[in-house]
Amino acid sequence: GENVEQHPSTLSVQEGDSAVIKCTYSDSASNYFPWYKQELGKRPQLIIDIRSNVGEKKDQRIAVTLNKTAKHFSLHITETQPEDSAVYFCAGGGANNLFFGTGTRLTVIP
Amino acid sequence: DSGVTQTPKHLITATGQRVTLRCSPRSGDLSVYWYQQSLDQGLQFLIQYYNGEERAKGNILERFSAQQFPDLHSELNLSSLELGDSALYFCASSVEGDGFYEQYFGPGTRLTVT
Repeated sequence: GENVEQHPSTLSVQEGDSAVIKCTYSDSASNYFPWYKQELGKRPQLIIDIRSNVGEKKDQRIAVTLNKTAKHFSLHITETQPEDSAVYFCAGGGANNLFFGTGTRLTVIP
Repeated sequence: DSGVTQTPKHLITATGQRVTLRCSPRSGDLSVYWYQQSLDQGLQFLIQYYNGEERAKGNILERFSAQQFPDLHSELNLSSLELGDSALYFCASSVEGDGFYEQYFGPGTRLTVT
């Protein structure tokens, strides 16, 4: 089955700096890669997603890149703000299943 | 608020017992997904239903079962509970059922097995 690995597990950045979280996946049949943000005690919220027919997608300060050949995808957050502090999960899957990474705890230091 | 509702918010029960968790999807969504989130294992996909039919299965134990009713709400049944079943259980919903598209999560049910 699919195996999604995520790193780093924790990340601290200064406010205004960029943050990058990376994930790799094992199943070449996976074609959908969402990213979720989960604040403490709250539900995961979809922040951006990408499908395998696209190499990059951007939404304001957030961007995701996908390299199908290398089977990795990354989340980029620019101009980080304290409210970006949360746990971020990547996931990969396709028609029959969705596998989550183990999460990255991002702390933005004011 | 995602529009997905889950009840109850918290559940405390003893080992060996059986519980039922309930989820109502967003209006118009036909797919419901169940996830388990525990401290040491992150978010694990359990099962998906689409318009009443099981569509995909993940790491769901045989002691667990689910169903989706004609009004599209779903229930997750957990039986012969063990201490290790203590976790947050989320359901999510999406419009489509083929693959995974823009899932919206409910607030979760925190299950504690003592």
